[in-house]
Amino acid sequence: DGGITQSPKYLFRKEGQNVTLSCEQNLNHDAMYWYRQDPGQGLRLIYYSQIVNDFQKGDIAEGYSVSREKKESFPLTVTSAQKNPTAFYLCASSIAAAGVNTEAFFGQGTRLTVV
Amino acid sequence: AQTVTQSQPEMSVQEAETVTLSCTYDTSESDYYLFWYKQPPSRQMILVIRQEAYKQQNATENRFSVNFQKAAKSFSLKISDSQLGDAAMYFCASENGQNFVFGPGTRLSVLP
Repeated sequence: DGGITQSPKYLFRKEGQNVTLSCEQNLNHDAMYWYRQDPGQGLRLIYYSQIVNDFQKGDIAEGYSVSREKKESFPLTVTSAQKNPTAFYLCASSIAAAGVNTEAFFGQGTRLTVV
Repeated sequence: AQTVTQSQPEMSVQEAETVTLSCTYDTSESDYYLFWYKQPPSRQMILVIRQEAYKQQNATENRFSVNFQKAAKSFSLKISDSQLGDAAMYFCASENGQNFVFGPGTRLSVLP
């Protein structure tokens, strides 16, 4: 079955540590995205990538980094510079055709907690 | 910057009744899509309905329909014959050719 897989589902991080959240898709989508969701709030864009080896900062990129070495994979690293990393992280992908993204497909999310 | 606004943080509806969730957006794009996503307690994001801006006819998917007013930049979701399983967070979203912009969400409760 095609889809987006995020791992792990739950992640605990000590203060000062970097952690990497995995996102893999087998939908053959060109575009991939990372969003952050805080309790009771909407989704805020961290980074996005329209093609391999290229990515752009979203609205809240500070303290995060990404790579896009393969079409299928878009890992997110939460660095120690992120002051309040405890949140729910969602990865998504979409077909990007003629400059229009027709639908975002989401993974099941990773809940990151700083301990 | 593109924005999406949902003015109703919480809504409730009686089972089998109809409820309308509001959404307004701002975009400078000429062709774009608008979406309603549902997020149940599992937190999985599920696409409810999609509207392409150049299509004048309002989209419908079974009990879900939209009222798309392009000039007013309004995109409301109507849920008919509400069911207990409809209880969730609902997010309105638009796409700008680069990424998706989401509103803050409306929490819908369905009362038995």
